[in-house]
Amino acid sequence: EDQVTQSPEALRLQEGESSSLNCSYTVSGLRGLFWYRQDPGKGPEFLFTLYSAGEEKEKERLKATLTKKESFLHITAPKPEDSATYLCAVQGGGTSYGKLTFGQGTILTVHP
Amino acid sequence: DTEVTQTPKHLVMGMTNKKSLKCEQHMGHRAMYWYKQKAKKPPELMFVYSYEKLSINESVPSRFSPECPNSSLLNLHLHALQPEDSALYLCASSQDLARNQPQHFGDGTRLSIL
Repeated sequence: EDQVTQSPEALRLQEGESSSLNCSYTVSGLRGLFWYRQDPGKGPEFLFTLYSAGEEKEKERLKATLTKKESFLHITAPKPEDSATYLCAVQGGGTSYGKLTFGQGTILTVHP
Repeated sequence: DTEVTQTPKHLVMGMTNKKSLKCEQHMGHRAMYWYKQKAKKPPELMFVYSYEKLSINESVPSRFSPECPNSSLLNLHLHALQPEDSALYLCASSQDLARNQPQHFGDGTRLSIL
C-alpha cells in the first residue's frame, strides 16, 4: 500500500524567510509524484510533477526536488500570497492508474 | 481561473432531495474524476472515468451515481444523502490514465445536507 507523509503539518514564516516542506513516500514503483497548492475554498492547483530521483522543477519562488524516498518543496523568499496548503501525492506502480495517494498537507502561513 | 468548471459552486439540499453536480472541461482530457474533501483533509477519490467508461468506483454508496455523457462532461447525481455527506466535491481531469499526467482540479461544489 502506498503511503505519503508530509511534514511539518503547519509552518509559519516571515516574508523573505526561505524554508522547505517535506514529502516522504513509500510506493512499489513510483510512476509520478505531484505537488499541489490549495487555497481555502478552492480546488488544488497543480504545481509540479516529478518522475525520477534526481529530477528538479522550478516555478517562480518554488523548487521541487525528488529522491528515492522523499521530495522537498523549497520556497525561496516567500511572500504572503504563498500562504496556502501544499499537498503532495504519489501514483504508485502497485495501484490502479489514476489513483493518487495524498499526504495530509502542510499549511503554510507567510507573515508580512 | 481553472480549466475545469464545476456547477453549482454551493448547494444546500435536504436528505430527501435529488440534485446533480456538473463538471466540464475542454482540454481534450479523456480521464475524469470525482473526489470528496472534508475540512482539513486531503481529497478522497470516489470515481474515475476513462474514455467515458467507469474505471474505478471506490466503494462509494449508491446514493452517489456518476455519469459521463461525453468526453467533456461529468455529472454526479445525488439522492437521499446523509448529513455526513456534507463536503467539498471536486472534479478533476487528466490527459488519460496511462500516461501518469497530472490531474487538474476544478474549484468544487460546496455541498451542505440539512
